[in-house]
Amino acid sequence: DGGITQSPKYLFRKEGQNVTLSCEQNLNHDAMYWYRQDPGQGLRLIYYSQIVNDFQKGDIAEGYSVSREKKESFPLTVTSAQKNPTAFYLCASSIFHRGNTEAFFGQGTRLTVV
Amino acid sequence: QKEVEQDPGPLSVPEGAIVSLNCTYSNSAFQYFMWYRQYSRKGPELLMYTYSSGNKEDGRFTAQVDKSSKYISLFIRDSQPSDSATYLCAMSASLKAAGNKLTFGGGTRVLVKP
Repeated sequence: DGGITQSPKYLFRKEGQNVTLSCEQNLNHDAMYWYRQDPGQGLRLIYYSQIVNDFQKGDIAEGYSVSREKKESFPLTVTSAQKNPTAFYLCASSIFHRGNTEAFFGQGTRLTVV
Repeated sequence: QKEVEQDPGPLSVPEGAIVSLNCTYSNSAFQYFMWYRQYSRKGPELLMYTYSSGNKEDGRFTAQVDKSSKYISLFIRDSQPSDSATYLCAMSASLKAAGNKLTFGGGTRVLVKP
C-alpha cells in the first residue's frame, strides 16, 4: 500500500530532551512537510522540503530541526529549545496533480512532555 | 489577525440536514482552495479543491469560492453520522512556487446526530 507512515503514534518526552519523529513515504513525492496542530489553531507549518538535501523553514521553525537525506524520509527533531512541544505533529507529502497540489497526510504523532 | 479564519464550532446538526461551513481569508493572492476532513486522532484527507472563484460539486459535497468577498464555503447535503469530523479549509497562492505551502484554517468540528 502506498502512503505516509509516521512513527511512533504516541511519544513522551522529558524536559530538556531531544526527540525525533519519523516520517516515511512510498508515494515517490518530491515535496514533504511537517505541521503542528494545536486545538483551535489548525495546522501550522514547521518545515518543508521540495527536494532531497534541501529544506526551508516554515512559520514556526524555532526549536525544531529536519533532514532530507533520502526522498522517502523526512524526520523531525524536537529539540530542548522548543518550549511548548506538546502537540499533534503531522507529516505530509504532495504532488502536483490535475491542476492542484494534493497533500497526503500521515496519521500523526502525539507528543507529550512529562 | 490570522490569514484564514474559521469558526471552530462545534456545529451540531440532525442526520439528513445540510451542513454549511465557511472560511474567510485576508490574502488576496490565494487562488487555490481546498477542504480537508479530519477524523479524531487521524491525519486530514482531501475532500475537494477549487481554483479561483466558482462552484464545484462532488456527490453530496459542494464547494464555493467568492474571491471578491474573500469567502469560501463547503456544503454537505443529506448529512450522515459518518460525516462527523473536523473540516479544515486550506489555501495556496501558487501551487508551483517554492514550498507549495498551504495555509490552513483552524477547523470546524461537525457533529451529525442520528
